[in-house]
Amino acid sequence: DAGVIQSPRHEVTEMGQEVTLRCKPISGHDYLFWYRQTMMRGLELLIYFNNNVPIDDSGMPEDRFSAKMPNASFSTLKIQPSEPRDSAVYFCASSFSDRATGYTFGSGTRLTVV
Amino acid sequence: GENVEQHPSTLSVQEGDSAVIKCTYSDSASNYFPWYKQELGKRPQLIIDIRSNVGEKKDQRIAVTLNKTAKHFSLHITETQPEDSAVYFCAASGGGATNKLIFGTGTLLAVQP
Repeated sequence: DAGVIQSPRHEVTEMGQEVTLRCKPISGHDYLFWYRQTMMRGLELLIYFNNNVPIDDSGMPEDRFSAKMPNASFSTLKIQPSEPRDSAVYFCASSFSDRATGYTFGSGTRLTVV
Repeated sequence: GENVEQHPSTLSVQEGDSAVIKCTYSDSASNYFPWYKQELGKRPQLIIDIRSNVGEKKDQRIAVTLNKTAKHFSLHITETQPEDSAVYFCAASGGGATNKLIFGTGTLLAVQP
């Protein structure tokens, strides 16, 4: 298995533009998580899905952020419009469901909004 | 909800010494406590974990201890090597049936050769 795959690895965009981050979880994993990492706030959980259904989106900072999981092998995190304070590394992770267990993280997307 | 505190934020040791990182959690229902290592520019990777029915677990030079009563757990690295230099994160499950992990703020470990 290739692990959790995220794209793009780096994204530089101008303030106000729409940004879409993509994630492919490990096949067979039925939980998918989106985290944001910054120096100031560490690893923050934004949203997670179970069997493609959003379970908890309380970490999504504001309405500019949205996430979808149309099928078991694909998820997107969208920011519209983007702002400089959204600059961070965004990680996707996946895991099995039977009980709490360690995640496998993707390589992350480094987002810079100028 | 769950809150995880981690100390220290930075730790510098001499090669061969031991390193200890401590975390506390708030939700008594939390039952799973993993530790992740993140090298510069890389993804966090699971290095060891412990469940609430176990007090200690060891894997070669790393060990984790859990005190459920006090709601704290620790990572111990013995005979540190320069390649142990990284940021280490503790995490706690959100309690109940959830798979949600709440992470500590991280410890930057520097092993001086």
